[in-house]
Amino acid sequence: EAGVTQFPSHSVIEKGQTVTLRCDPISGHDNLYWYRRVMGKEIKFLLHFVKESKQDESGMPNNRFLAERTGGTYSTLKVQPAELEDSGVYFCASSPRLGMGGGYTFGSGTRLTVV
Amino acid sequence: RKEVEQDPGPFNVPEGATVAFNCTYSNSASQSFFWYRQDCRKEPKLLMSVYSSGNEDGRFTAQLNRASQYISLLIRDSKLSDSATYLCVVPQGGKLIFGQGTELSVKP
Repeated sequence: EAGVTQFPSHSVIEKGQTVTLRCDPISGHDNLYWYRRVMGKEIKFLLHFVKESKQDESGMPNNRFLAERTGGTYSTLKVQPAELEDSGVYFCASSPRLGMGGGYTFGSGTRLTVV
Repeated sequence: RKEVEQDPGPFNVPEGATVAFNCTYSNSASQSFFWYRQDCRKEPKLLMSVYSSGNEDGRFTAQLNRASQYISLLIRDSKLSDSATYLCVVPQGGKLIFGQGTELSVKP
C-alpha cells in the first residue's frame, strides 16, 4: 500500500510569501495530523483532522497558518505570509483509528526554508 | 518542565556496545509509550511500543517505571545501522508528544 505522501519535499521562499504544503494520507485513514520540527527543538503537534473536520488545532502557532482537508482526503497547510521562524520540517501523519500512537505512519516531510 | 524529556546525547559508541537511553514524562495518567527512530532527514518510524512494564524485540528492550515516570531503551550489540536519533513519544489524546530525541552514532 502507498504510504503518506507529502509535496513538495523542499521549499525555499522569501519572507512575506505564501507557501502551501500538501499531504496525501494512506487511503482509508480517517485521522490526519500535521507536526513541525523547528531546528534544535522537538517535533511538535500542529493539528488533527478526523475526516474533513478539525478535531484539535491547539498546536497551530498563529492565524498565518491555515489547514484544510477537502472531502476528508488530502490535506493542505498554507502559511501566509511566511516568517523566518516558520522554517522547519513539516511532517504529516495518518492513522486508521484515534489513539493509535503506534499506528501512525509519517510522511517524509516538507523542509521549509524562509529567507 | 517539558512534557517529555530525554538524554541530550549524542552517544558515540563502538560496534557491539550496549547503550541505554532514558526518558521521563510529566503526565502521570499516560498509559502507553513509544520509541520512534528517525534517520537523518527522514521521517520518524515506530521502533517499539511499551504498554506495561516493558517490551523486548531482539536486541532492543524498552522498560517502563510508572512510579518514577521513566522509560528506557536498551540496545545490545550495537550495529552501524543503529545510528539514528531515538525519539521518546507519549500519546496525549489524539496527538503525540515527542521528546527532543537522543542521537546515537555507532562507530566501527
